[in-house]
Amino acid sequence: DTAVSQTPKYLVTQMGNDKSIKCEQNLGHDTMYWYKQDSKKFLKIMFSYNNKELIINETVPNRFSPKSPDKAHLNLHINSLELGDSAVYFCASSQVGRGRTNEQFFGPGTRLTVL
Amino acid sequence: GQQLNQSPQSMFIQEGEDVSMNCTSSSIFNTWLWYKQDPGEGPVLLIALYKAGELTSNGRLTAQFGITRKDSFLNISASIPSDVGIYFCAGQRFGANSKLTFGKGITLSVRP
Repeated sequence: DTAVSQTPKYLVTQMGNDKSIKCEQNLGHDTMYWYKQDSKKFLKIMFSYNNKELIINETVPNRFSPKSPDKAHLNLHINSLELGDSAVYFCASSQVGRGRTNEQFFGPGTRLTVL
Repeated sequence: GQQLNQSPQSMFIQEGEDVSMNCTSSSIFNTWLWYKQDPGEGPVLLIALYKAGELTSNGRLTAQFGITRKDSFLNISASIPSDVGIYFCAGQRFGANSKLTFGKGITLSVRP
């Protein structure tokens, strides 16, 4: 199936731990994104990579570090997890530069719970 | 930063009814998108609009790009129970580096 996939689907961890979330897209897109959705369902962009280059970096604590090994993958590493990091994290992808630049396709989300 | 306004936060309709949602901004956007999110899933793109005044349909859904470029609306006709979910509008300003700004979403409930 062509899609944006994320692992894991659920992540429960203790405060202070370090964790990673992985994202892969097989849509052939050149741009990938990380969003955070809080308990009120507000979607906020965190990062965006275009062809492995960081192009959007919103005001996010530097405990969050994205890494894009190639244009089909975008991982998110979080250091020293805090209670406020609990949220659903969505990966998305789009193809920029061919007219339909903003048709972003989302993954199923990773629900992170920090205890 | 610019915001997209969606209200009310929740809507309750009877199965078979039509419903209209709008999204407004104080800023001009050059792209408007409508997404639906089911519980436990990621948002799914419903309709994308790229020209002021554009009217686009996708099945029972119709969306329009406002002529002022500061608003968009989504209509759902003859609602069915599976229309339940959160509907988000999203917009992109020219030169915003593919960044989308999302509204806060409207939760739609459909009574059988």
